[in-house]
Amino acid sequence: AQRVTQPEKLLSVFKGAPVELKCNYSYSGSPELFWYVQYSRQRLQLLLRHISRESIKGFTADLNKGETSFHLKKPFAQEEDSAMYYCALSISGGYNKLIFGAGTRLAVHP
Amino acid sequence: DAGVTQSPTHLIKTRGQQVTLRCSPKSGHDTVSWYQQALGQGPQFIFQYYEEEERQRGNFPDRFSGHQFPNYSSELNVNALLLGDSALYLCASSIAGYEQFFGPGTRLTVL
Repeated sequence: AQRVTQPEKLLSVFKGAPVELKCNYSYSGSPELFWYVQYSRQRLQLLLRHISRESIKGFTADLNKGETSFHLKKPFAQEEDSAMYYCALSISGGYNKLIFGAGTRLAVHP
Repeated sequence: DAGVTQSPTHLIKTRGQQVTLRCSPKSGHDTVSWYQQALGQGPQFIFQYYEEEERQRGNFPDRFSGHQFPNYSSELNVNALLLGDSALYLCASSIAGYEQFFGPGTRLTVL
């Protein structure tokens, strides 16, 4: 069965520290991976997708098919990065049905 | 464009009752997906509507049903409510399989 695992419920760092939010997935086919973010009192929004291979707000994520991982990284955290982050998987041919992880809350302290 | 809108914002029902939640997609979008987000969990896919038909369904019982109208808006109906149906219900719209845009959600509380 397809599954997304985010092992950390909370990640607490200081401003300027590097950040890595972990995401592992379980899927035997060709996955499409996403990171969604939810800032306080805002709706869920797409942060980045592995296909685009771009950096958004300083965040990057690389799909590692060998380790079935899609970790989200940022070299220097900012206070405005504090939010809930969800990793999501879309299976091929799934008409973009998304399978989400449980989410990781990132708290960046001054 | 207000983006994806959902109504109502909050809803309180009692066990056994029925509820209808509504979603208006982002302008130009033709596909609507519904998700259930229980407290402390990620969103779980319920079903997706395209061209007024249910195209895909997640692991939810038949008590959960939906509809899509010609203007692409959608409804989610839940019958015989259980305490465990208490959750945030999210609607997301997209154009034929591309990026999904989420609404603010409807918070359903079942007493």
